[in-house]
Amino acid sequence: GQNIDQPTEMTATEGAIVQINCTYQTSGFNGLFWYQQHAGEAPTFLSYNVLDGLEEKGRFSSFLSRSKGYSYLLLKELQMKDSASYLCRYKLSFGAGTTVTVRA
Amino acid sequence: DGGITQSPKYLFRKEGQNVTLSCEQNLNHDAMYWYRQDPGQGLRLIYYSQIVNDFQKGDIAEGYSVSREKKESFPLTVTSAQKNPTAFYLCASSIAGTGRGNYGYTFGSGTRLTVV
Repeated sequence: GQNIDQPTEMTATEGAIVQINCTYQTSGFNGLFWYQQHAGEAPTFLSYNVLDGLEEKGRFSSFLSRSKGYSYLLLKELQMKDSASYLCRYKLSFGAGTTVTVRA
Repeated sequence: DGGITQSPKYLFRKEGQNVTLSCEQNLNHDAMYWYRQDPGQGLRLIYYSQIVNDFQKGDIAEGYSVSREKKESFPLTVTSAQKNPTAFYLCASSIAGTGRGNYGYTFGSGTRLTVV
């Protein structure tokens, strides 16, 4: 499978911004997905970037550079409920996930 | 409402036993997938199927088997050859397989398998 890299953990304060990076070995022009997973639950879809650039969806934004094999997920105005694991997916492969902890 | 159903939610397996995890979808999706997740790790692909009566091995297929006799169903059997089966198993489906593009997944709620 693909080698997809994400940081293991990130911690931020409520109301702050956090950026989660994802790098992968690009092959072709496939886009990239981001999912949120709370402990013990299935992942839920957050975003999909098919073209280069920034996609904004409320408090969450995602950026993609296909030529560089690089994406990031930006979480703004962090809330306690955003504490979860965030996984990027390229084709059939997932990164190991980044656990975000939001502190009061 | 359309969706994807996994059963059972929890499953206990004795050493040397085969067990089968069920995955059923009524979304009319062509492609279905099985992933395994170990604590603190991402999802690893076991098997996937892009069309009925056809399936391909993923990265960690050893000790597992699947069938795809119906579009709606993609059961996973964990055989006794899988030496470390304790994990969270997730089934997913998508409109079409990767050969036709890049599609989002709908996930089932997962099955937690424990060896006792």
